[in-house]
Order: sequence, then structure tokens, then C-alpha cells
Amino acid sequence: GNSVTQMEGPVTLSEEAFLTINCTYTATGYPSLFWYVQYPGEGLQLLLKATKADDKGSNKGFEATYRKETTSFHLEKGSVQVSDSAVYFCALSDRFGNEKLTFGTGTRLTIIP
Amino acid sequence: KAGVTQTPRYLIKTRGQQVTLSCSPISGHRSVSWYQQTPGQGLQFLFEYFSETQRNKGNFPGRFSGRQFSNSRSEMNVSTLELGDSALYLCASSSGTTYNEQFFGPGTRLTVL
Repeated sequence: GNSVTQMEGPVTLSEEAFLTINCTYTATGYPSLFWYVQYPGEGLQLLLKATKADDKGSNKGFEATYRKETTSFHLEKGSVQVSDSAVYFCALSDRFGNEKLTFGTGTRLTIIP
Repeated sequence: KAGVTQTPRYLIKTRGQQVTLSCSPISGHRSVSWYQQTPGQGLQFLFEYFSETQRNKGNFPGRFSGRQFSNSRSEMNVSTLELGDSALYLCASSSGTTYNEQFFGPGTRLTVL
């Protein structure tokens, strides 16, 4: 079955540091890949997505590249801010039109000023 | 455009009772998915409804059921509640025809005593 393995947290960084959160996946076929973010007391928000190999998703300074050869979709940001503190989830859906998302365990990120 | 709304936001029930949660999707969205979020199991897919039909189902017991109405609003029901059903229940809506971009509601926090 499908699975997503995500970097264990929590992660604590200083403001303006470089961020990487690792994500690898197992899926049949050609999944779509996503990063979602959850702020305290809220639901999930889509941060970025990629639907085919070598696609790069980007939003709010965050980036992730769909690497089929390494089955990875690592999240990066060059300079984090305190407002980036949240829980980040990597997810996949295994085919177009399939709304079922398989999530990683989530990585709690805390940015200190 | 209004986002996904879920009611109630908080619920406290006792073991053996049943509960119904409601989700109103974004206007025009025809797909509604439900997820259970717990600290131990993370985010798990319950089921998805599209145009009033269940299109996908996760690995949950039959005590968990759902339905979707003609206006795309959805309800999920849990019968004979167990302590382990305590969780944040998230609803997500999508058009069902794009690259699985799902929009999540704030969730209903269910506590079973």
C-alpha cells in the first residue's frame, strides 16, 4: 500500500535559518505529492503540490521538488520566520481523481527569534 | 468565497453514545472527505463522498458511517462510541476534478469520556 515517511520532529531553528524537512514515499504508479501545514487550533492548509516527476512546488518561500528516482519530496525554505512555526505534513494521492490522501506523521517546527 | 465549515467545533460524549458531525464544503465543490487525527495514529482517511455516493473508504469499522446530501453537505456518524474515538475529525472538500487539491475545515474535536 501507499505510505509516506517523514522526518521525525520536533525541529527547532533560529529565525533566518535554512529549513529542510525530509519526506519519502512508497506508491504504485505516479502519485501527486503535497505539503500541508497546520497552525495551532486550525485545520490543514495546502502549502504546495507537485503532480509529476521533476515538478517543483513553491509557495510563501517554501519549495519542494518531486524526485521520482529517489521517491522523495523534501520541503525547503531558505530563511525561516517565527510565523512559520507549525506542524508540516507530507502527503500523497495515488492517482488523479482519487481524493484519498495518505499522510506522513507530521513534523512540528518551532522557530525561535 | 466561504471556506469549509464544520459543526460543532467541540463535542463531549460518553462511551456507548452516538454522534453526528456536519461539514459544509466550499460552494461548488462536490467531493467531501473525512479524516481522523489522533496523536498516536496521525491523520487517517475515513471516507470520501462525491455527488452523494461513497467513492472511497478507509480502514475503519462499520461504526463509522457517512452520507452526503444533494447540496454536497456531508455528515459523519459514529455509533457506540469508544474512548479511542476521541480525536480531531477533519473534513476536506474539493471539486473532485482537479489535481486533488483539498481544502480543509477547522475540525471537530470529539472527546469520549
